[in-house]
Amino acid sequence: GGIITQTPKFLIGQEGQKLTLKCQQNFNHDTMYWYRQDSGKGLRLIYYSITENDLQKGDLSEGYDASREKKSSFSLTVTSAQKNEMAVFLCASSIKGRPTEVFFGKGTRLTVV
Amino acid sequence: AQKVTQTQTSISVVEKTTVTMDCVYETRDSSYFLFWYKQTASGEIVFLIRQDSYKKENATVGHYSLNFQKPKSSIGLIITATQIEDSAVYFCAMREGQGGRALIFGTGTTVSVSP
Repeated sequence: GGIITQTPKFLIGQEGQKLTLKCQQNFNHDTMYWYRQDSGKGLRLIYYSITENDLQKGDLSEGYDASREKKSSFSLTVTSAQKNEMAVFLCASSIKGRPTEVFFGKGTRLTVV
Repeated sequence: AQKVTQTQTSISVVEKTTVTMDCVYETRDSSYFLFWYKQTASGEIVFLIRQDSYKKENATVGHYSLNFQKPKSSIGLIITATQIEDSAVYFCAMREGQGGRALIFGTGTTVSVSP
């Protein structure tokens, strides 16, 4: 088994601030994802990475940057936090190229004041 | 582009009965994979069951089963003998067959199981 660790669990930022969310996995998975979940809504894909140094944009990539520093870690940066923004950011990982399930972290809850 | 649609926002059932949730999808790929996930009240998201597009037989895992209707691009989730602990949000998701494709989710269906 393995685990996906997201840090921090809670993040409070100010409007216009640049904020970084981190994700680490020890499954040795190739593919990693960042999703955003707004209250009571589904998961929308921000970025994903098939392998180290790869980045693919999802439907919600505007306003975000991502970085896959190494196989086990995937970071997401909110380039300019929007006031009253509140969402949970979920990191996930899976084996590359195989249709196996995706495993999720517990999320980072972002609040912008 | 791929798309997953869940039109039922919420369903309420009585314990020990069966609940069925709908999901339709859009894809241009001939090969794809369909998944159902459950999000508990704590926010944890867990994988439940999967259907491969090339398989005609409906997948079954425990008290979860799928109703795969390929001509209708439909993949329904059926939960039999529901328990209070089945109260959660259920997400349908799809991944196209070629390597490197992302997992795309529907908006979810909230299931409430009462005694």
